[in-house]
Amino acid sequence: DGGITQSPKYLFRKEGQNVTLSCEQNLNHDAMYWYRQDPGQGLRLIYYSQIVNDFQKGDIAEGYSVSREKKESFPLTVTSAQKNPTAFYLCASSLSGTGNDNEQFFGPGTRLTVL
Amino acid sequence: GENVEQHPSTLSVQEGDSAVIKCTYSDSASNYFPWYKQELGKRPQLIIDIRSNVGEKKDQRIAVTLNKTAKHFSLHITETQPEDSAVYFCAAILSGSARQLTFGSGTQLTVLP
Repeated sequence: DGGITQSPKYLFRKEGQNVTLSCEQNLNHDAMYWYRQDPGQGLRLIYYSQIVNDFQKGDIAEGYSVSREKKESFPLTVTSAQKNPTAFYLCASSLSGTGNDNEQFFGPGTRLTVL
Repeated sequence: GENVEQHPSTLSVQEGDSAVIKCTYSDSASNYFPWYKQELGKRPQLIIDIRSNVGEKKDQRIAVTLNKTAKHFSLHITETQPEDSAVYFCAAILSGSARQLTFGSGTQLTVLP
């Protein structure tokens, strides 16, 4: 399970605050992803990055922002514009940035709760 | 819109019995179909995948079948064991999702001892 880490494990936020979730990988993977997991809805793609300094919106990008300044790191910021941010957030990475049929390796997740 | 439908949402079987989970997808161009297992409190992990050039793939007690004409694929687990209890997610690459994986809603499998 090593190789991709997320921090913190639990995060509490007050309404109106931005928070940043960390995701780091030492697998030398080109591609990285952020998913949101809600009960009964599976995993929904927020943002993905196929290569350093480039990223694309997924299905539910509104209220979120990302950066990919380093190959190893893909932080996710949950902004105050996200209306329902309480969820479990999973980061993943995969070997190839051009092929989309590679195994994705997931981090342990961050559970965000808005108070 | 394009999506991946997964059924059933919950499944209970007796230890030693078989379990089958089915997914349907909407994009006829989809060519990659992985299955992930997520144990309670843990991260999802790939357990098996299949590409559109084959109809079936097996790995010990796990198998996946693909019917491209009907646009559905299924996960089969034989001789189930308590450690098979987990949430299972299917996924497919859909054109409408920027050619990235779209996941089904998950199946909670419980293997009763």
